[in-house]
Amino acid sequence: GAVVSQHPSWVICKSGTSVKIECRSLDFQATTMFWYRQFPKQSLMLMATSNEGSKATYEQGVEKDKFLINHASLTLSTLTVTSAHPEDSSFYICSATGGNGYTFGSGTRLTVV
Amino acid sequence: GQQLNQSPQSMFIQEGEDVSMNCTSSSIFNTWLWYKQDPGEGPVLLIALYKAGELTSNGRLTAQFGITRKDSFLNISASIPSDVGIYFCAGLQAGNNRKLIWGLGTSLAVNP
Repeated sequence: GAVVSQHPSWVICKSGTSVKIECRSLDFQATTMFWYRQFPKQSLMLMATSNEGSKATYEQGVEKDKFLINHASLTLSTLTVTSAHPEDSSFYICSATGGNGYTFGSGTRLTVV
Repeated sequence: GQQLNQSPQSMFIQEGEDVSMNCTSSSIFNTWLWYKQDPGEGPVLLIALYKAGELTSNGRLTAQFGITRKDSFLNISASIPSDVGIYFCAGLQAGNNRKLIWGLGTSLAVNP
């Protein structure tokens, strides 16, 4: 079946630094990838939608200059949290779709100290 | 953003009991999806529904796409301890075929 690999699974960084999270579709071409953020005991909150080779579409309230999304190929999208602050600490999840439904990565736990 | 009404919010049951949860919306959906999320993991698809009235099973799980296209339910029969987790419904609205709308989740605890 469709597999999405997300890396790293967890990361701890200092305030002010940037962190990159990768999302790869391993056995299918992902025409669209989605990035979510999830706080404890809450549902998934869509941050942005990205299509290969074009700019990401950000949801209202999500700072595009802070959460940089790159979708350079049909199998890879990256989310970079720039100048991270403790309030950016969260669980980030990617999802990819390639005509066969939505497949999710295993998530990245980001802790900013 | 928009969210689906999912209930109950949490359930604590005895092993072997059946479980039912549902999602409702004020607008029409073309697709209903049910996911399970374990702690520290991404959601895993349990059942996908694409037609009004559709009833689909996956082992001990059964889900239905409501006739009105505004609701869906998920049943789990003969629950076991590994059913513990958070269950989410998600859907695609008519006219929007890309962005999933999510329920708030149902947290299930099973007492062995």
